[in-house]
Amino acid sequence: ETGVTQTPRHLVMGMTNKKSLKCEQHLGHNAMYWYKQSAKKPLELMFVYNFKEQTENNSVPSRFSPECPNSSHLFLHLHTLQPEDSALYLCASSQDVREIKGTDTQYFGPGTRLTVL
Amino acid sequence: GQNIDQPTEMTATEGAIVQINCTYQTSGFNGLFWYQQHAGEAPTFLSYNVLDGLEEKGRFSSFLSRSKGYSYLLLKELQMKDSASYLCAAMDSNYQLIWGAGTKLIIKP
Repeated sequence: ETGVTQTPRHLVMGMTNKKSLKCEQHLGHNAMYWYKQSAKKPLELMFVYNFKEQTENNSVPSRFSPECPNSSHLFLHLHTLQPEDSALYLCASSQDVREIKGTDTQYFGPGTRLTVL
Repeated sequence: GQNIDQPTEMTATEGAIVQINCTYQTSGFNGLFWYQQHAGEAPTFLSYNVLDGLEEKGRFSSFLSRSKGYSYLLLKELQMKDSASYLCAAMDSNYQLIWGAGTKLIIKP
């Protein structure tokens, strides 16, 4: 039990579909993150929210749209994706973006395996 | 640019010791993290180093040399359950984690 849950765990969608990924954290954290993990590549940070405010958008295409209604929930809305967007999408949370200590680190959810046909 | 290098794959024998190396280049430095990720699962935190030296935590130890931009993760008394990917990440001056591609560790009986 990591304290961070993600749904769905697997998603297959066509290039014209619209879908959303959901992340929920039960750790009382204030920062939440979206990462993209492709095979044999480093984790790519996509978006960061700190106290519900977006603090980072790492040049992510507009077909990915994040939403953070409160500190416990994070969504990633997807539309008109490309096959190269197929990857594992990981959500993570931490106490605060700027206060990382040895034990106060990022906690990850199990991810959503996305396949774009 | 910012960069993390670690071997793609390593193989070791059950009961043995293995060392996974990581070199990093970042804009500023706020610490070095190691995570473990089993196939199909979430990465989980293993260790954090911000000062030079060795940090020991049970069978796992992590070492940091800031002057060399170098870290390693040492796993002792290897068990089959240690088969996983090990991710090295350095935190830059903006508190962003810069990740390596991960080292897949295969443990053989």
